Amino acid sequence: QLQLQESGPGLVKPSEALSLTCTVSGGSMYTSSYYWGWIRQPPGKGLEWIGMIYYSGGTYYNPSLKSRVTISVDTSKNQFSVKLSSVTAADTAVYFCASLGYDSRHFDYWGQGTLVTVSS
Amino acid sequence: DIQMTQSPSSLSASVGDRVTITCRASQSISSFLNWYQQKPGKAPKLLIYVASSLQSGVPSRFSGSGSGTDFTLTISSLQPEDFAIYFCQQSDSMPYTFGQGTNLEIK
Repeated sequence: QLQLQESGPGLVKPSEALSLTCTVSGGSMYTSSYYWGWIRQPPGKGLEWIGMIYYSGGTYYNPSLKSRVTISVDTSKNQFSVKLSSVTAADTAVYFCASLGYDSRHFDYWGQGTLVTVSS
Repeated sequence: DIQMTQSPSSLSASVGDRVTITCRASQSISSFLNWYQQKPGKAPKLLIYVASSLQSGVPSRFSGSGSGTDFTLTISSLQPEDFAIYFCQQSDSMPYTFGQGTNLEIK
């Protein structure tokens, strides 16, 4: 059973970059079975898919964030990361990492989430 | 982007009730529709995938149906632990999108 855990700063200043890492345990990320994704949820609001990466490095981003987001993977460390540049208060959210089955296309394993607040 | 619209946005019900939540897609998504349950401070939990398949470990009182643009999640007999927020999510095409959520509250 996969376990995912987000890590990174909980406070980021406006105009700076937000960077988070997800560490995967219980299985190897170097597998064709999964995409590795990021989803966020502003306080009290709904869920927004940020993007995802395949073990080979192929990436897919939400067009609404594409100009500011980069997702990368380090299969040797069993980690993947997200970087969101030029953040504003609107980027304040709980950020979740999750696995999405390559064929099944549903998010089956999730991290617990980490709150990132954008404030000076 | 495919818009996902859930109804109702909130729902009050009692233990033992049968509850149905609907999700409508702005265009056909075949059966690529998933349902999640989220409790306060927790990550969403997968309940149903590809419209009607029950995720392992999820109680059989949860069921899903539909295809194309109209989908339903049914809880046959509400239990105290079922009071939560429910989201639908389409995985037919990127960007993957979620419904706005249905807040299921105790009456």
